[in-house]
Amino acid sequence: SQKIEQNSEALNIQEGKTATLTCNYTNYSPAYLQWYRQDPGRGPVFLLLIRENEKEKRKERLKVTFDTTLKQSLFHITASQPADSATYLCALLRQSGGSYIPTFGRGTSLIVHP
Amino acid sequence: DAGVIQSPRHEVTEMGQEVTLRCKPISGHNSLFWYRQTMMRGLELLIYFNNNVPIDDSGMPEDRFSAKMPNASFSTLKIQPSEPRDSAVYFCASSSGLAGFTQYFGPGTRLTVL
Repeated sequence: SQKIEQNSEALNIQEGKTATLTCNYTNYSPAYLQWYRQDPGRGPVFLLLIRENEKEKRKERLKVTFDTTLKQSLFHITASQPADSATYLCALLRQSGGSYIPTFGRGTSLIVHP
Repeated sequence: DAGVIQSPRHEVTEMGQEVTLRCKPISGHNSLFWYRQTMMRGLELLIYFNNNVPIDDSGMPEDRFSAKMPNASFSTLKIQPSEPRDSAVYFCASSSGLAGFTQYFGPGTRLTVL
């Protein structure tokens, strides 16, 4: 069966360090992979999208890699700040007919300590 | 733009009652998604509309759930009759394919069924 795995344990890091979050998937052939941020009591907010033929994407302090052979995406936040503390969700978009159907992982909580 | 608007923000009801959740997507977006989020199951896609037409409703748990999109600016998710296990946060999201499939989420409706 199709499965998306994100580390259920919270990631605790010190301010200024690089945070690395992992998204693994099985039995999927996603056309796109996205990362979202979710703060408590709010809806997810889109951060980055990477296509299946792209290896890496960057946006300011954020970097995403996508390895379709390993079936894994890594999400990096460099020079992390306490304000980066949130839950980060990965989402896979698979093509179905003329549409793209999203499936989300359960997310990993990031806590950045000052 | 006001973003995706959902109402009500909180709903407390008793088992067996009908519940209707409402969503106004961002103007100009042609795709609308209904999700349910719980601690146990994460963020689950319930149904996906494209140009007001349901494309994928395989995530709708059972016949007690129904969703409609009578026009491009309004959608409802109805649960009848409601059960305690339906308690969750329900999110609506909209997107425009031209924006790289970025989904914009509403603030969610927290539903509690007693």
